[in-house]
Amino acid sequence: AQSVTQLGSHVSVSEGALVLLRCNYSSSVPPYLFWYVQYPNQGLQLLLKYTSAATLVKGINGFEAEFKKSETSFHLTKPSAHMSDAAEYFCAVITSGAGSYQLTFGKGTKLSVIP
Amino acid sequence: DSGVTQTPKHLITATGQRVTLRCSPRSGDLSVYWYQQSLDQGLQFLIQYYNGEERAKGNILERFSAQQFPDLHSELNLSSLELGDSALYFCASSVGGRDKETQYFGPGTRLLVL
Repeated sequence: AQSVTQLGSHVSVSEGALVLLRCNYSSSVPPYLFWYVQYPNQGLQLLLKYTSAATLVKGINGFEAEFKKSETSFHLTKPSAHMSDAAEYFCAVITSGAGSYQLTFGKGTKLSVIP
Repeated sequence: DSGVTQTPKHLITATGQRVTLRCSPRSGDLSVYWYQQSLDQGLQFLIQYYNGEERAKGNILERFSAQQFPDLHSELNLSSLELGDSALYFCASSVGGRDKETQYFGPGTRLLVL
């Protein structure tokens, strides 16, 4: 079964510093991968997705992620953290069966931005 | 705003009771998904409907059921509620329920079972 693992349940960065949130996938076939963000008391918002086109995917709010098959990774990065980036981030993979497709989520990484 | 609406936003009820959560998908989306977010289980897929028909089941308890109506809105029914059912329940929608499609999430319904 396809799954994702997010390394680090909490990450703290200083404002202006690089943000790196790690996600590794487990899949026997090329996966479709997603990053979602959840702000406090809100729903999930799509940041970006990989669907086997370009390996470097650019998303909203200055985030990007690179699909690396050799490392089975899809890490999320942003060059300069902003206070408004404080949120929980979820990596997800599409899992399929019998013509249906669902999202299987990692456990999430809570990002804190220190002023 | 994703275009997916969920009601109610908050629900407080007692053990043994039954509740109904409602979801309206984005205009034009035929597929609706339900997910549960809890502290111990994280985000889990419950069930998917496509154009009124059940498409897939995930980790959904037998006490839970769902349906999608002709106008494409969906309801998730939770019965014989237990303390452990307290969670945030999300609805998401997509155009056709296919693999590359983005699922758009609603704001969620926070259920507290006392």
